[in-house]
Amino acid sequence: DTAVSQTPKYLVTQMGNDKSIKCEQNLGHDTMYWYKQDSKKFLKIMFSYNNKELIINETVPNRFSPKSPDKAHLNLHINSLELGDSAVYFCASSPRAVVSYNEQFFGPGTRLTVL
Amino acid sequence: AQKVTQAQTEISVVEKEDVTLDCVYETRDTTYYLFWYKQPPSGELVFLIRRNSFDEQNEISGRYSWNFQKSTSSFNFTITASQVVDSAVYFCALSEAQFYFGTGTSLTVIP
Repeated sequence: DTAVSQTPKYLVTQMGNDKSIKCEQNLGHDTMYWYKQDSKKFLKIMFSYNNKELIINETVPNRFSPKSPDKAHLNLHINSLELGDSAVYFCASSPRAVVSYNEQFFGPGTRLTVL
Repeated sequence: AQKVTQAQTEISVVEKEDVTLDCVYETRDTTYYLFWYKQPPSGELVFLIRRNSFDEQNEISGRYSWNFQKSTSSFNFTITASQVVDSAVYFCALSEAQFYFGTGTSLTVIP
């Protein structure tokens, strides 16, 4: 009965590969997010989806593409992986749109290592 | 410019000491929300508290307390009688048009 789940927890891959990280929330929330946390622990929002519409895209390289098959899922696809993509990626969800008082509920994170 | 500043990068305290984590934010909105999250060594992000900009009452929850002062744009977090389990990275965040996290303060409680 995990609220926000991500798979895989760890992902090790070679430079140039394409990979995906899956995220699912069972909270019935309207909005989902992807964050990147770098080695210095800095958290930066990458995307958010509200009812299948992309509403934030923070100048993330177009090698990264979010895909939301339904309200409960927001997957992250990464093409042509680079060394600098190594980080922990967090999925999150909140009940309503970004302009909201609602806290965000985070998944456990996916540690991506690009060799 | 950083919307949320946590000037203390790392803090170490001895168990049972009190510790205050500072958070200063910047916004032109009159309606906004402030949050604190905890990230223990296991890596997950745990929500601790939310405050809206119209409610400056301080809040206490067990050993945790929060001091919100609009006049200084600060939302500081105090842990009383710290315990080893409090060791974590603590993030302050501001929600206006979007969510902004501070850079985090790494707290180590030494037994």
